[in-house]
Amino acid sequence: EDQVTQSPEALRLQEGESSSLNCSYTVSGLRGLFWYRQDPGKGPEFLFTLYSAGEEKEKERLKATLTKKESFLHITAPKPEDSATYLCAVPPNAGGTSYGKLTFGQGTILTVHP
Amino acid sequence: EAGVTQSPTHLIKTRGQQATLRCSPISGHTSVYWYQQALGLGLQFLLWYDEGEERNRGNFPPRFSGRQFPNYSSELNVNALELEDSALYLCASSLGPPGRADTQYFGPGTRLTVL
Repeated sequence: EDQVTQSPEALRLQEGESSSLNCSYTVSGLRGLFWYRQDPGKGPEFLFTLYSAGEEKEKERLKATLTKKESFLHITAPKPEDSATYLCAVPPNAGGTSYGKLTFGQGTILTVHP
Repeated sequence: EAGVTQSPTHLIKTRGQQATLRCSPISGHTSVYWYQQALGLGLQFLLWYDEGEERNRGNFPPRFSGRQFPNYSSELNVNALELEDSALYLCASSLGPPGRADTQYFGPGTRLTVL
């Protein structure tokens, strides 16, 4: 069964203090990896899809990278509005018993202080 | 382009009652997924519908059920509500059966409170 583990559970940064969030996974064959942002009480907002090791994607202050065992979400010079829970997820095997199900990590709660 | 929409935003029920939650996918999306996010817990997969058929379900009892209509909108029904059913229920949609890595886009959720 696919497993996704995120670390740290919580991260507090000062505005402008860059850092990285980690997502490690155990899957039977990497089919891609998603990053989402979730604000309290709201649905996850899609950020990135990464398909293969070595791939990188950027959006404003966020940059996602992927290796064969883990993914990193780098946050450069964060602002208070970047405070949220960041979730990573892996898609299912086509035709397997988990078909249709995204397996999510528990998330990293990011707080950026002004 | 409109995103995934869900209704109602909030729903308050008492134990033993039934709850009905609704979801409209992004235009052109045929797959709809339902997830439960209880307080302090991660997203748990409930159900997946595509082309009007239930394609897969997570480890939830049969009192969690649903359907998908010809316009691809979907309904989640929870019968005989229990206190532990209190959670944020999230609907997501994707272009079609999850292929290589079809992105699932989420709606704002329905907060169900069982008293």
